[in-house]
Amino acid sequence: EAGVTQFPSHSVIEKGQTVTLRCDPISGHDNLYWYRRVMGKEIKFLLHFVKESKQDESGMPNNRFLAERTGGTYSTLKVQPAELEDSGVYFCASSQRTDYNEQFFGPGTRLTVL
Amino acid sequence: AQKVTQAQTEISVVEKEDVTLDCVYETRDTTYYLFWYKQPPSGELVFLIRRNSFDEQNEISGRYSWNFQKSTSSFNFTITASQVVDSAVYFCALSVRTGTASKLTFGTGTRLQVTL
Repeated sequence: EAGVTQFPSHSVIEKGQTVTLRCDPISGHDNLYWYRRVMGKEIKFLLHFVKESKQDESGMPNNRFLAERTGGTYSTLKVQPAELEDSGVYFCASSQRTDYNEQFFGPGTRLTVL
Repeated sequence: AQKVTQAQTEISVVEKEDVTLDCVYETRDTTYYLFWYKQPPSGELVFLIRRNSFDEQNEISGRYSWNFQKSTSSFNFTITASQVVDSAVYFCALSVRTGTASKLTFGTGTRLQVTL
């Protein structure tokens, strides 16, 4: 069974540009999460989808970030326009159930904003 | 609000030594889960263990063991007879149920370096 996959693995963009990150969860997992780790700090929650619905987006930093999960399968996270402080590693995770079920993580996308 | 503290930023040991990674958590919820994840150099987070707040039994899995103590709000992780392949960043995390959501709150991670 394939794990959580993320694309691209690494992205380097200029400040002000737009970047779209993609996450493909494990097949059959209704729950999809986005997290971010800024250099040396803790991994922070961004948002949680159940199928195509946003269950919790309390961690989204501001309106430059837009997450979608059309059809309840893969998800995209768009940053527009990117700022320097957006640099970090963006992780996606999925789980079968919502209640405390272990979340399976992808390898992350390392975003560098210059 | 939830908080997880991993006070050890980096630990270096020689192979075959035992090492304990500390994790202290804060929450007002009585029902919660604690997790440990391993991040090897390849980057993905690998699930190691999940513990619920009502089960304080220690757990052992091969060379890995976990000590959960509610009295001190700690969930420490011990690797016995460490090996070079154990080198990674280890994250402790806490999850509480908020409505229908259950996000993870992570600590800052402990980088473990095991050398020959």
